[in-house]
Amino acid sequence: EAGVTQFPSHSVIEKGQTVTLRCDPISGHDNLYWYRRVMGKEIKFLLHFVKESKQDESGMPNNRFLAERTGGTYSTLKVQPAELEDSGVYFCASSQDYGTSTHNEQFFGPGTRLTVL
Amino acid sequence: DAKTTQPPSMDCAEGRAANLPCNHSTISGNEYVYWYRQIHSQGPQYIIHGLKNNETNEMASLIITEDRKSSTLILPHATLRDTAVYYCIVSSHFGNEKLTFGTGTRLTIIP
Repeated sequence: EAGVTQFPSHSVIEKGQTVTLRCDPISGHDNLYWYRRVMGKEIKFLLHFVKESKQDESGMPNNRFLAERTGGTYSTLKVQPAELEDSGVYFCASSQDYGTSTHNEQFFGPGTRLTVL
Repeated sequence: DAKTTQPPSMDCAEGRAANLPCNHSTISGNEYVYWYRQIHSQGPQYIIHGLKNNETNEMASLIITEDRKSSTLILPHATLRDTAVYYCIVSSHFGNEKLTFGTGTRLTIIP
């Protein structure tokens, strides 16, 4: 079974440009999460989808970040316009619906390393 | 903010047991203790979780004190591949809520 995949693995853009990150969760996982680690900081939660709905977006830093999950499958995270402080590693994770899962295990992808110059 | 406290770093000799402590004195009754780790350049990886009883799986053992205010993750025979940052996280069992990562413990396995 394929794990969580993320694309691209690396992205280097200039300040003011737009970048779109993609996450493909494990098939059948209704829950999808975005996290990020900026340089020198802890891994921080951004938002949580249940299927196509945003369950919790309390961690989104500002309106330059837009996450979507059309059809409840893959998700995209768009940063527009990118700022220097957006540099970091963006992780996606997925998990089964709590009603069918025995515990809250989240499976993480390898991350996308974003560098804003 | 993280609800756990862990030592920033630890060393362990290869082949020995690695014991990683965690304090979670404000844990509530419906919260579980989860352990994840992040090996360099990879995404975090689930290790084990528990509520109040000790737990063991193929990767590790988890010992939770009776008052649930602290726990210890045990890697019984540490290998070089266990070098990673280990995170102790308290989280509700239901609702698949977000994980709150703290600073974790950087475990280095010494050959």
